[in-house]
Amino acid sequence: ETGVTQTPRHLVMGMTNKKSLKCEQHLGHNAMYWYKQSAKKPLELMFVYSLEERVENNSVPSRFSPECPNSSHLFLHLHTLQPEDSALYLCASSQDFRGEQFFGPGTRLTVL
Amino acid sequence: GQQLNQSPQSMFIQEGEDVSMNCTSSSIFNTWLWYKQDPGEGPVLLIALYKAGELTSNGRLTAQFGITRKDSFLNISASIPSDVGIYFCAGQLNSGTYKYIFGTGTRLKVLA
Repeated sequence: ETGVTQTPRHLVMGMTNKKSLKCEQHLGHNAMYWYKQSAKKPLELMFVYSLEERVENNSVPSRFSPECPNSSHLFLHLHTLQPEDSALYLCASSQDFRGEQFFGPGTRLTVL
Repeated sequence: GQQLNQSPQSMFIQEGEDVSMNCTSSSIFNTWLWYKQDPGEGPVLLIALYKAGELTSNGRLTAQFGITRKDSFLNISASIPSDVGIYFCAGQLNSGTYKYIFGTGTRLKVLA
C-alpha cells in the first residue's frame, strides 16, 4: 500500500450504532488529520494529531472520538450519530505542520 | 473568520480549451495548495506554492502565488476529458501551523 488509505470506503449506520473509521499512512509522516466534507461546503478540520498527541479538537461533538495509537494509524470512533453527520470523512497526513497535506480516498458515511 | 472565495463555482468547457480559476481572500497566506478531487475519491495534490509571485507547472497545469499573497490562480491548458472533477485551493495562514483554509471548489466539466 502507498500513500494514505482509509477503511471502510462506505459505511451506513443507524443512529444507535457504534462504528470506527480507520486511516493508515505509509508516507512516514508525523501529523495526521480528520476532515469532514459536506456538499457545497469547504473542508472542515475536525482533529489534528502530531506524533500521536492531539493538538486540535475543533469544537467537534463528543459523539466523534479520535484515537491515534502511533504515527501511522488514526481512528475515528463514532457513536449515536445524527443524520446531519452524513458526509465524506477524509483523513490526511503531512510530514510536519509546514508541509503539504496528502489525503486518503475518504469514507462515505450515511447515518439513517 | 478567514475564508477563501474560489471562482468560478463551475464551468463547462470544450475539449482543447484552456481553463482558468482563482482563489482570493482578504487574508495573507504563506502557502497555497491546489488539489483535484474526482467523484468518490479524496483530493489529490496538484501543485504547492511557497513564495509570493512563484509560478509552478505540473504538466498542463500552471499555478501562481499572487504578489499580494492574498490570491492564487490555476490554469489548465488544452483540457482533456479526464480533467473533469472539482479543483480546490487551500491557503496556509502562518508557516508552521497545520491550519489550511479550503475553498469551496471549482467544478469542471469538459465537453468532448
